[in-house]
Amino acid sequence: EVVLTQSPGTLSLSPGERATLSCRASQSISSAYLAWYRHKPGQTPRLLIYSASTRATGIPDRFSGSGSGTDFTLTISRLEPEDFAMYYCQQYGNSPIFSFGPGTKVEIK
Amino acid sequence: EVQLVESGGGLVQPGGSLRLFCAASGFKFSIYSMNWVRQAPGKGLEWVSYMTSDTRTIHYADSVRGRFTISRDNAKNSLFLQMNSLRAEDTAVYYCVVSVAGHFDYWGQGTLVTVSS
Repeated sequence: EVVLTQSPGTLSLSPGERATLSCRASQSISSAYLAWYRHKPGQTPRLLIYSASTRATGIPDRFSGSGSGTDFTLTISRLEPEDFAMYYCQQYGNSPIFSFGPGTKVEIK
Repeated sequence: EVQLVESGGGLVQPGGSLRLFCAASGFKFSIYSMNWVRQAPGKGLEWVSYMTSDTRTIHYADSVRGRFTISRDNAKNSLFLQMNSLRAEDTAVYYCVVSVAGHFDYWGQGTLVTVSS
């Protein structure tokens, strides 16, 4: 069973700063099947990145994804007010077929 | 515009049943795989169930296997989740979600299920 771990649990930053979020898998997963989501309170989760590094439709270029094997990273180059939210990584294809990481909260410092 | 509208949530006693419904519009529902994903209060996202467009492949999370049943009606652009033997830990917002190549592209607004006596 693949277990996703995200770090840090909480990231305290100011608007305009750079955010670096980590997602680690308990075993190697295909980069094609690693995605990132932003979830703001009271709203629907939104797909940001799929295939580890491809931005979803309408996602600004301040969001970038990288990584392979067991280590993946989501970088937000300059935090906007709407970026203070929960972020989840998600894998597909291993057992269980889908799973999410526990999330990283990006909060205003 | 893609729209996914869930309904059927509510308050149910432990051991009870509930049937969730998702009405899809704005896209060709019949060719997409569909999922249910939930979020318990104060917790993270948890994938629940998956069904391919042709209904031939179905998967469940271990936490719901044997109690929940996913189904769909492509003629009516509808997705369902029959939930039996409900437990307190099933309390959550349940989202209807379109998946494409393993990622979750479109999400509904969710319907709240509360299991409590």
